[in-house]
Amino acid sequence: GENVEQHPSTLSVQEGDSAVIKCTYSDSASNYFPWYKQELGKRPQLIIDIRSNVGEKKDQRIAVTLNKTAKHFSLHITETQPEDSAVYFCAASKGSGNTGKLIFGQGTTLQVKP
Amino acid sequence: DAGVIQSPRHEVTEMGQEVTLRCKPISGHNSLFWYRQTMMRGLELLIYFNNNVPIDDSGMPEDRFSAKMPNASFSTLKIQPSEPRDSAVYFCASSYLLGQEQYFGPGTRLTVT
Repeated sequence: GENVEQHPSTLSVQEGDSAVIKCTYSDSASNYFPWYKQELGKRPQLIIDIRSNVGEKKDQRIAVTLNKTAKHFSLHITETQPEDSAVYFCAASKGSGNTGKLIFGQGTTLQVKP
Repeated sequence: DAGVIQSPRHEVTEMGQEVTLRCKPISGHNSLFWYRQTMMRGLELLIYFNNNVPIDDSGMPEDRFSAKMPNASFSTLKIQPSEPRDSAVYFCASSYLLGQEQYFGPGTRLTVT
């Protein structure tokens, strides 16, 4: 069945360094790839997403890259700050019709040390 | 817009009791999703609706769980009877269309003793 693998499960970086989280998906028909950030005790919040007709997307300090051939996508956070500390989830979806459910990765706990 | 609204925010109940969780999606959104989150199992999709019709309930753990969406602005997730292993945070999310960005509610933290 559909599956999304996310690595690493935990990531610790020094403030100002970059952080990279990687996900692979199994269903080649997937075409929508969002990333969510969940702070402790709060709801997951969409931070960036990418569709399969785009290879890279940036929004200030965050960027997402997509390699459809290899079926993997990555989140890049540059100049990390302590407030970036959270759990990050990737997800994949076929994105149309009645198959629009998101398949989530297992999450990455990012700790940014001041 | 108030975003997705869930109630109650916290629920503590005894094993065997019925629990009803409520969700109001963002106005104009056509798809609604119920998730359960635990440390052990992560974020699990339980069921989702499109235009008030259940599309996929394969994630519902067992017959004790049921969900309804009687109209475009309201959905319920019911557990009857509840068990301690149902303790989790239950999120409702909505999207304008299937396959588009989902917006999560604040969640209901359920504790079954």
